Amino acid sequence: DIVLTQSPGTLSLSPGRSATLSCWASQDINNAMSWFQYKPGQAPRLLIFDVSIRASGIPTRFSGSGSGTDFTLTISSLEPDDSALYFCQQRFAWPITFGQGTRLEIK
Amino acid sequence: QVQLVQSGAEVRKPGASVKVSCKASGYSLTTYGMHWVRQAPGQRLEWMGWINAGSGNIEYSQKFQDRVTMTKETSASTAYMELSSLRSEDTAVYYCATDQAGALGSWGQGTLVSVSS
Repeated sequence: DIVLTQSPGTLSLSPGRSATLSCWASQDINNAMSWFQYKPGQAPRLLIFDVSIRASGIPTRFSGSGSGTDFTLTISSLEPDDSALYFCQQRFAWPITFGQGTRLEIK
Repeated sequence: QVQLVQSGAEVRKPGASVKVSCKASGYSLTTYGMHWVRQAPGQRLEWMGWINAGSGNIEYSQKFQDRVTMTKETSASTAYMELSSLRSEDTAVYYCATDQAGALGSWGQGTLVSVSS
């Protein structure tokens, strides 16, 4: 199975700053990388798919980049509502796998 | 607008089975495939399998293929995931999610399944 490793585990930043979240794959996954936002009690929300394509309704503050095995989610102009768990996911090969998540705290 | 509404929380004893439903609205089950994903306490999300909307083919994760059955009732706009031979490690929140051009585009609210003697 393809293992996805996210870094950092927790990120604490002030409103208005930018956050950089990383996800490394154990093998080349081409462009089959997605990012999700997850808040307790809510359904996960697709932010980015195919590395850099924003899902419908996602603000331009959210952007994705990377290739091969190294991928990044950048959130600019942080807002308090961005506090959440963010996880990456690959669909290059079965089984689909997920990263362990990065917890973003906006203080 | 795509919306997925899942059935309520379930409690089962070890060895029993559970069937979780996922009712779709805003689209047809013949349009988007359906994935099932779970998250056990303290664990990362775990993909269980999916039903391809077009072909109807089903792909199960090897980890679950002996115990899981995924079905759908198109006329009722409802997908189902049944997991058998439950054990305590199956305690988790189970999610359905649409496959929209390969991305897990929309998710249900989750169904907590608790397995305890």
